Amino acid sequence: EVQLVESGGGLVQPGGSLRLSCAVSGITFSSYWMSWVRQAPGKGLEWVANIKGDGSEKYSVDSVKGRFTISRDNAKNSLYLQMNSLRAEDTAVYYCARVAAVTGINDYWGQGTLVTVSS
Amino acid sequence: QLVLTQSPSASASLGASVKFTCTLSSGHSDYAIAWHQQQPEKGPRYLMYLNSDGSHTKGDGIPDRFSGSSSGAERYLTISSLQSDDEADYYCQTWGTGTVVFGGGTKLTVL
Repeated sequence: EVQLVESGGGLVQPGGSLRLSCAVSGITFSSYWMSWVRQAPGKGLEWVANIKGDGSEKYSVDSVKGRFTISRDNAKNSLYLQMNSLRAEDTAVYYCARVAAVTGINDYWGQGTLVTVSS
Repeated sequence: QLVLTQSPSASASLGASVKFTCTLSSGHSDYAIAWHQQQPEKGPRYLMYLNSDGSHTKGDGIPDRFSGSSSGAERYLTISSLQSDDEADYYCQTWGTGTVVFGGGTKLTVL
């Protein structure tokens, strides 16, 4: 069974930092691209960033470039999102998701972790 | 620019069928997409991968009541024999070079 479990969310002040983690099991983790996708309260899904299986390629949405960094540790079957210079508009539930093989769409999702940026 | 357009809401009666539309932006009519379901207070669930020719591959455990089809730049999700727990938000997704795009989602109300 494929499982993705996010952690690390919480309340942080504007300008602060937070590191999200996603523990993945049930797949050969290093074989897959992985994603972070977020959802602001009452809004739709927004893609944040992708990373290749070996970590050699990454890309992200313009609104987080220079502030968020996606990374992974294949030895620990874990995905990370380092979030710096957080803004109120980054408040959202953050989901970890697997990218399906040979495509760019997500076929397995975690349950999400809530990040609230507020003073 | 790669954009997916969805109607914000839809409604249908218990036991009936409903068809959602996801429209690809100009110049992208041959793109494949995915459909996802998000029930209230839950994470998204992958429903299917849908090609431009209408062929589709469903996710694990997705019942036969869910089907997909395509016509030109439009991608469709049809749910038949509606049940109460089909009440959810439905999102389409696609990707391009260095980007991933979601539609705005359609909220389904089951009457």
